[in-house]
Amino acid sequence: EVQLVESGGGLVKPGGSLRLSCAASGFTFSSYSMNWVRQAPGKGLEWVSSISSSSSYIYYADSVKGRFTISRDNAKNSLYLQMNSLRAEDTAVYYCARGTVTTDNWFDPWGQGTLVTVSS
Amino acid sequence: SYVLTQPPSVSVAPGQTARITCGGNNIGSKSVHWYQQKPGQAPVLVVYDDSDRPSGIPERFSGSNSGNTATLTISRVEAGDEADYYCQVWDSSSDHPGVFGTGTKVTVL
Repeated sequence: EVQLVESGGGLVKPGGSLRLSCAASGFTFSSYSMNWVRQAPGKGLEWVSSISSSSSYIYYADSVKGRFTISRDNAKNSLYLQMNSLRAEDTAVYYCARGTVTTDNWFDPWGQGTLVTVSS
Repeated sequence: SYVLTQPPSVSVAPGQTARITCGGNNIGSKSVHWYQQKPGQAPVLVVYDDSDRPSGIPERFSGSNSGNTATLTISRVEAGDEADYYCQVWDSSSDHPGVFGTGTKVTVL
């Protein structure tokens, strides 16, 4: 069974940092692109960042570029999101989602999400 | 950046057909994917590549895409289909390729 489990969320002050992790199992992690998607309370889905299978291609939303860094460790079947200079508007549930092995990218499956709250 | 527009809400009676649109400039030239999200749960992929269904998704869910509009159709709607639905494309020509639609709340009357 394909499984994605996020961790690392919590309460952080504005300007602070947090590192999210996503542990993957049940599939050949090194073959798939991986993604982070977030959802602010009561709002829609927002794509955050994506990384190709070998980390050759990395993309960010404008809203997080320069503050967030996506990375992966294929030996540990793990995906990460380093979040720096956090703002109140970064408050959201952050989902890890598997991508594809093709040049297109859809998200399936998703983890259960981890809540990040940025507040003083 | 690329924008996908969905109606905020769609209401449908049980047993009827719900159609959820996703508008974007020349969206017919892109592959569109659809997600269902129930309250308190993570999204679930229900259609990918315009009209393909992942395993386990009922045949009642279908998709089409042409011109400036993609459509998710839910036939023989059930109470359990009440959820938020989002379209998504991967705009490979962009530096910010991941794009979600604004989302549609489907209410089963």
